[in-house]
Parts: sequence; structure tokens; C-alpha cells
Amino acid sequence: AQSVTQLGSHVSVSEGALVLLRCNYSSSVPPYLFWYVQYPNQGLQLLLKYTTGATLVKGINGFEAEFKKSETSFHLTKPSAHMSDAAEYFCAVSSRSSYKLIFGSGTRLLVRP
Amino acid sequence: EAGVTQFPSHSVIEKGQTVTLRCDPISGHDNLYWYRRVMGKEIKFLLHFVKESKQDESGMPNNRFLAERTGGTYSTLKVQPAELEDSGVYFCASSRSGRDEQFFGPGTRLTVL
Repeated sequence: AQSVTQLGSHVSVSEGALVLLRCNYSSSVPPYLFWYVQYPNQGLQLLLKYTTGATLVKGINGFEAEFKKSETSFHLTKPSAHMSDAAEYFCAVSSRSSYKLIFGSGTRLLVRP
Repeated sequence: EAGVTQFPSHSVIEKGQTVTLRCDPISGHDNLYWYRRVMGKEIKFLLHFVKESKQDESGMPNNRFLAERTGGTYSTLKVQPAELEDSGVYFCASSRSGRDEQFFGPGTRLTVL
């Protein structure tokens, strides 16, 4: 069965610092990979996704993620954190035979001024 | 274009009562999903509709949960009778096709006392 592990339930960075949110998945076949963000009192919003092709995926708001098959990882990065990036981030996968999303437990990003 | 809407935003009921949650997907989206997040854990898939048909209901926890999507438009999720462990946030999502981006609603926070 597929699963997703997000290391760190809370990550705190200073404004302007690098953001790195970690995600590892377990799957016998490379799945589709997603990062979602949830701002307070809002629904989840898709940041970026990997399906096939280029392993470095660029998303909205300056975020990007790199699919590394050998490490079964899909870490999310942003070069410079902004106060508006404070939110909860979810990594998710779906198999190539199913449309349902399997989520990690989420990482809450705090940005210090 | 209106997003996915859910009603109510909050519901507080007593154990043994019945609650019905409603989801209105984005117009034209044939695919509708229900997910649940319990007590800060990971978001878990409940079921997937394609139009009015249940495509995948592998995540439904037990027969106290009944989901319907009459006419292939809005969907309801009924919990009867509610138990304490049903407390959590119930998310609805919709997509135009199975592999398209899933757009999430803001969720319904259910508290069972």
C-alpha cells in the first residue's frame, strides 16, 4: 500500500530564509506526486504536481519540488520565505490506477519576522 | 467561477444523533471526492463519485456513513448515528476528469460530543 511521510509537523524559518519541507513516499511504481497548501479557513490549494517528464517541478508562489526516484522523495523548497507563506503544507500521492489522493500528515510552516 | 462550497462550515452534535453534510462541486465537474481529517492526523480518502455513480468507496469507515450524489450535481454525506470518533474536518473536492486537479472546499468541522 502507498504511504506518505512528511518529516516535521512544524517547521520554523526566518523571513527571507530557505524553506525546505520534506516528503518521502512508498510505492512500488512511481506515483503521481502533489503538494497542497492550506491557509487558515480555506480549502487545500494545489501548489504543484509531478506526473511524468522533468523531475524538477515549478509551482505557484515561487515553490518548486524535485522528484528523486532513487530516494523516493519529493521535497518542497522555496529560496526565500515570505510572511504570507505561513500555512500548512501537505504532500500527497496517487497511484497510476486510482484517482484518490493519499496524504501525509502535514507540515505547518511558521515564518518569523 | 465559484469554487467548491460546503455546508455547514461547523456542526456540533451529540453522540447518537444524525448529521448531513453537503458539498456543491464546481459546475461541470463530474468527479467528486470526500476526504476526512481526524484530530490533526493525515487527510484520508473516503469515496469518489463520477457523476452519480460511486467509483471508489474503499475509504468509507463503516455503514454509519452514507454518501449520495443524486443527479450528479451536489453530494451529501450522512453520518447516522454519529460516534465520538467521527469528529474531524470533512473535505469535499471536485475535478473535471479523473486526472485533473482536485479543487477542495473549505471543509465542514464536525464535533461529536
